[in-house]
Amino acid sequence: AQSVAQPEDQVNVAEGNPLTVKCTYSVSGNPYLFWYVQYPNRGLQFLLKYITGDNLVKGSYGFEAEFNKSQTSFHLKKPSALVSDSALYFCAVRDGSSGANNLFFGTGTRLTVIP
Amino acid sequence: NAGVTQTPKFRVLKTGQSMTLLCAQDMNHEYMYWYRQDPGMGLRLIHYSVGEGTTAKGEVPDGYNVSRLKKQNFLLGLESAAPSQTSVYFCASSKGERSTEAFFGQGTRLTVV
Repeated sequence: AQSVAQPEDQVNVAEGNPLTVKCTYSVSGNPYLFWYVQYPNRGLQFLLKYITGDNLVKGSYGFEAEFNKSQTSFHLKKPSALVSDSALYFCAVRDGSSGANNLFFGTGTRLTVIP
Repeated sequence: NAGVTQTPKFRVLKTGQSMTLLCAQDMNHEYMYWYRQDPGMGLRLIHYSVGEGTTAKGEVPDGYNVSRLKKQNFLLGLESAAPSQTSVYFCASSKGERSTEAFFGQGTRLTVV
């Protein structure tokens, strides 16, 4: 079975500081991992994904994520947070090897960047 | 290019009423999904479709039905609405490969009283 855990409901960070939003996953086969962002009263927007290759993937708005197979993690990072980064962030996983093509989401982490 | 469009954006139903949520995508995507979003629970998959004429159950299918008669449309039906179905509903679509990301509509906020 596939699952995603986002251990922090809320992350607060000062503007200009680095930010990390944590995600761990569980899949039977190869993990395909995704990060999405949701602004108030909006749908989810795709940020970045890991499929294969380099463990550090770069995405939109200066975000990047590091895939760690041994720790089954895919943490979202940004070197310098902006107030406009304040939003709800979701990690998602799909089994890249077999089974249904479902995309499973974590419960979300609310990021607040403090001016 | 509209992407994924959901209709309606807001709706209030009385318990026992029925309704249909419409999702339309103009990206020629094979896969379409319906999720519900509840506080503290993230997004949970209700039903999904891997192509025209096919549907399958997700994590929380009870109380919902779906149809995909045309490739670009995915309908979500509530036959007899219950207060537990108060939620924000999101439709999404993606290409027919596991490595591709899903594109989301703006959501439908449904309240059942």
